[in-house]
Amino acid sequence: QKEVEQNSGPLSVPEGAIASLNCTYSDRGSQSFFWYRQYSGKSPELIMFIYSNGDKEDGRFTAQLNKASQYVSLLIRDSQPSDSATYLCAVFTGGGNKLTFGTGTQLKVEL
Amino acid sequence: DAGITQSPRHKVTETGTPVTLRCHQTENHRYMYWYRQDPGHGLRLIHYSYGVKDTDKGEVSDGYSVSRSKTEDFLLTLESATSSQTSVYFCAISGGQGIILETQYFGPGTRLLVL
Repeated sequence: QKEVEQNSGPLSVPEGAIASLNCTYSDRGSQSFFWYRQYSGKSPELIMFIYSNGDKEDGRFTAQLNKASQYVSLLIRDSQPSDSATYLCAVFTGGGNKLTFGTGTQLKVEL
Repeated sequence: DAGITQSPRHKVTETGTPVTLRCHQTENHRYMYWYRQDPGHGLRLIHYSYGVKDTDKGEVSDGYSVSRSKTEDFLLTLESATSSQTSVYFCAISGGQGIILETQYFGPGTRLLVL
């Protein structure tokens, strides 16, 4: 079992819709959770992080964390074609200040 | 890119030759990391550093070595390059003041092709 799992996609949504990206993790001791966006040929860029159960909103992005069920999700409201990218979920479990990354979900926002 | 540069950005080399990639930061972050990214595998940690001259192995460290003689520089060396080391290599940093310690910021990447 992979430590951090994401559906590879592609996930296709129409412009203006809500995109929902999901991530599950195996280590119950995980402490903080990160979402990165990576455009093709570019480096990952941080979107947001969350470490408490519940929702955290930042503009059109909302991260949701449920530690009991060991999943974290990212909602993108009013999806735009510029949101088309691969979204990486990363988890911090406290050892050596390292993050464990999922393999990413490719999102395609269609006109 | 949070003040992170990588050099070279692209490199083509031949099997068996040594290769050194450089990561340079101007952010004074304590931690530095080297990842490789390959289709189907995502980002995999090669080595990381938690201070000057303090380094440790990641999950795919075989065939790689690192050095950090200054806070701002973290070098990754492929001792004898193999075709399986063809990849995109990313440097990342964390541990800056005023932000969550484990938040990582990435450099622009180096595309390495080993023929």
